[in-house]
Amino acid sequence: KQEVTQIPAALSVPEGENLVLNCSFTDSAIYNLQWFRQDPGKGLTSLLLIQSSQREQTSGRLNASLDKSSGRSTLYIAASQPGDSATYLCAVKVWETSGSRLTFGEGTQLTVNP
Amino acid sequence: DTEVTQTPKHLVMGMTNKKSLKCEQHMGHRAMYWYKQKAKKPPELMFVYSYEKLSINESVPSRFSPECPNSSLLNLHLHALQPEDSALYLCASSRGGLVRGRDTEAFFGQGTRLTVV
Repeated sequence: KQEVTQIPAALSVPEGENLVLNCSFTDSAIYNLQWFRQDPGKGLTSLLLIQSSQREQTSGRLNASLDKSSGRSTLYIAASQPGDSATYLCAVKVWETSGSRLTFGEGTQLTVNP
Repeated sequence: DTEVTQTPKHLVMGMTNKKSLKCEQHMGHRAMYWYKQKAKKPPELMFVYSYEKLSINESVPSRFSPECPNSSLLNLHLHALQPEDSALYLCASSRGGLVRGRDTEAFFGQGTRLTVV
């Protein structure tokens, strides 16, 4: 059974700092990996998708990497802003004969202080 | 348009009520999902529909009954729920595909906050 772990569980940083969120998964046979952002009481906003054949994806101040063989992904946030405060979730997609499923990590709760 | 729309946004129901949650997308996606999320926890998969057929049921109690009337709509019918079923219910969709290689990014709705009293 695929298990996804995110470290740290919570992170508090001053505005302007660069930071790294970590995600690890136990089964390297993933189809893709997706990073999401979730604000309190809201739905999930997709940030970046990395296909299993890719190593990296970038969007603005965000950069996600994937090392499938070691079961790791990182989300790098440059020049953090208070508006980046949210919970960040990593999810891996596994393909089954019955369809695909996303398995989520527990998330990293990020607070960026002005 | 990458929007998944869920209604209602909030729902309070008694344990003897029957209600339905609705989810709609117009991205041409053929895979649709229901997730349940408790406070401070990650989303947990409940059901997956692929090409309007139920493909994954994560042993969800029968008081939750999913329905996919067409490729754009997904419903979750609720009956005789318990207070512990109170949670944020999230709908998601992805391009889907019966053959590995066609599925892509998943998009989520804003959720329905359900309270069972």
